[in-house]
Amino acid sequence: GAVVSQHPSWVICKSGTSVKIECRSLDFQATTMFWYRQFPKQSLMLMATSNEGSKATYEQGVEKDKFLINHASLTLSTLTVTSAHPEDSSFYICSARDKVAGGLETQYFGPGTRLLVL
Amino acid sequence: GQNIDQPTEMTATEGAIVQINCTYQTSGFNGLFWYQQHAGEAPTFLSYNVLDGLEEKGRFSSFLSRSKGYSYLLLKELQMKDSASYLCAGRAGGSYIPTFGRGTSLIVHP
Repeated sequence: GAVVSQHPSWVICKSGTSVKIECRSLDFQATTMFWYRQFPKQSLMLMATSNEGSKATYEQGVEKDKFLINHASLTLSTLTVTSAHPEDSSFYICSARDKVAGGLETQYFGPGTRLLVL
Repeated sequence: GQNIDQPTEMTATEGAIVQINCTYQTSGFNGLFWYQQHAGEAPTFLSYNVLDGLEEKGRFSSFLSRSKGYSYLLLKELQMKDSASYLCAGRAGGSYIPTFGRGTSLIVHP
């Protein structure tokens, strides 16, 4: 099956610093990648949809200047949390769109990045 | 908008059968997904239903009734490793992006 990787898996940083998270599709080309945030015992909340070579589409309530998304190639999207604060501490998960047998479409998720801002 | 509703937590015994229900309200309909998520890990795809009926895949089956806005995930011969959160996700008509429910935390005990 399709494999998506994320790096780093864990980040601990000081308040005010910026953190970059990478999402890669390893064995397929992903024209579309998605960034989610998940707080403990909560649902996956879509933050933005990232299309290769164009600007990301952000969900309502997500600050595009705070969460910078770059999708420079068909296999890599990055999320940069700028000037991180403790309330940004969360589990960030990316996914990439792929087609499975029968023409169905689903998303394959990366392993997630746990961010802790002190 | 979309609304996905599923129970918060369920418990079951190893070897038993458990059914996790999900009701959804979407603008149009373009498929219903089930994902499994172990604590601290990303979700893994389990099933996708777009037509009414039961889809069986090994120990896991998923059912959909579009007229009732209802789906369930059926897990048979439960194993301890099935303890996880099960996410129901619905996709609105004309969209390829699903909206996730809060997930049902399933605890399997001996």
